[in-house]
Amino acid sequence: DGGITQSPKYLFRKEGQNVTLSCEQNLNHDAMYWYRQDPGQGLRLIYYSQIVNDFQKGDIAEGYSVSREKKESFPLTVTSAQKNPTAFYLCASSMGLAGGIQETQYFGPGTRLLVL
Amino acid sequence: AQSVTQLDSHVSVSEGTPVLLRCNYSSSYSPSLFWYVQHPNKGLQLLLKYTSAATLVKGINGFEAEFKKSETSFHLTKPSAHMSDAAEYFCVVSDRGDDKIIFGKGTRLHILP
Repeated sequence: DGGITQSPKYLFRKEGQNVTLSCEQNLNHDAMYWYRQDPGQGLRLIYYSQIVNDFQKGDIAEGYSVSREKKESFPLTVTSAQKNPTAFYLCASSMGLAGGIQETQYFGPGTRLLVL
Repeated sequence: AQSVTQLDSHVSVSEGTPVLLRCNYSSSYSPSLFWYVQHPNKGLQLLLKYTSAATLVKGINGFEAEFKKSETSFHLTKPSAHMSDAAEYFCVVSDRGDDKIIFGKGTRLHILP
């Protein structure tokens, strides 16, 4: 089955800890995205990557970091600098490059992060 | 600058009656417009997409939307609601010109039996 997987489904973080959320896709897509979803606020773009070894900040990148060492993988680290990390995190991918950010995005099932 | 406004945070309709979810947008360039659906604790699924071809766009599950440039609207409709349509719906605008994507705050659709 082709698709996007995110793990874990639920993640708990203690104050001051960094945590990493996994996102893997087997759709052979070039572009990948991370969003944060809070109740009543829709989705906000954290980071996106249109090609391996390159990524750009979205609207709310502070307190987050990413890497894109492989086409299939785009992990997101929530650092201790992110003061309000409790949210639902969604990863997405699109075919990429030619269509840019206007292309249809395919979403993973999400990871819910809770701070203890 | 681009923006998107979903005019209703909640909409309730009876099963078998029409659905209308309203979306207005602003865009400096030629926008792409999308509607996505999200069921509880799930990712988003594309319903339909407008990219400057036909102004009436047909999507999955009987949904369609009409792009009206003069009204800057992209409302989502369905002739007859089904219980399985209960979910949250997001209107999205994206501009190639400034390489940004903006999600609306969502409309939660409730279907009454």
